Amino acid sequence: DAGVIQSPRHEVTEMGQEVTLRCKPISGHDYLFWYRQTMMRGLELLIYFNNNVPIDDSGMPEDRFSAKMPNASFSTLKIQPSEPRDSAVYFCASSLMAGTSAYEQYFGPGTRLTVT
Amino acid sequence: GENVEQHPSTLSVQEGDSAVIKCTYSDSASNYFPWYKQELGKGPQLIIDIRSNVGEKKDQRIAVTLNKTAKHFSLHITETQPEDSAVYFCAASSGSSNTGKLIFGQGTTLQVKP
Repeated sequence: DAGVIQSPRHEVTEMGQEVTLRCKPISGHDYLFWYRQTMMRGLELLIYFNNNVPIDDSGMPEDRFSAKMPNASFSTLKIQPSEPRDSAVYFCASSLMAGTSAYEQYFGPGTRLTVT
Repeated sequence: GENVEQHPSTLSVQEGDSAVIKCTYSDSASNYFPWYKQELGKGPQLIIDIRSNVGEKKDQRIAVTLNKTAKHFSLHITETQPEDSAVYFCAASSGSSNTGKLIFGQGTTLQVKP
C-alpha cells in the first residue's frame, strides 16, 4: 500500500483565500484523523471520522474550518477564509480499529500551509 | 480531561549512549501506548507500541516499558546513532471504549552527537 496520501505538500496563499487540503487514507482503514502541528501548540487533533462519519470535531478551532469525508477513500479539510495564524503543518492519519492492530495510526507526509 | 505529559522536551546524548524518554497519562482506562518518531519535514512514524497486557516490549535497539499502576511508560534507545536524531512523541489511547483516538505528548527533541 502507498500509505496515507496528502495533497498538496505545500500551499502558500493570501489571507482571506479559501484553502482545501486533501487526504487519501490507507485502503481498508475505518478511522481518519486530521491534525495540526505548530511549534507553539504541538500536535493537535482537529477532527476524526469513523466509517466516513464525523465523531468528534471539538478540536476544530472555529467556524472557518470544516472537514468532510464523502467516501472511504477521500477526505478534505477546508479553511475559509484563511488567516496568517492558520499557518502550520496539517497531517492526516488513518487507522483500523480491529484485531491486534487496533489504534495504530499511520500518518501522511503532511501539508505545509503558509498564509501571508 | 485526558492528558499525556512527556519529559524531557529536549535530550542531547553522545553517539553510543542510551536515551530515555518518559511519559505519564491521566486516564486509567487507556490500554494502548505507541511511540512515534518524526524526522524533519516528514510525518510521525510509528516505531514501537505496547498494550496494557504486557509490561515491556523490545525491538532491536528500542524498548518500551509500561507501569499501569503508576500510569507511566518509557522509551529506551540503546547504542544511539546520529540517525536517531528526531522528535519523538508518546501517546495513549483515549479511555473511552473503541474511539480510535490517541492523546499525544508534547514531544521530545533528541539530538545524538557524533
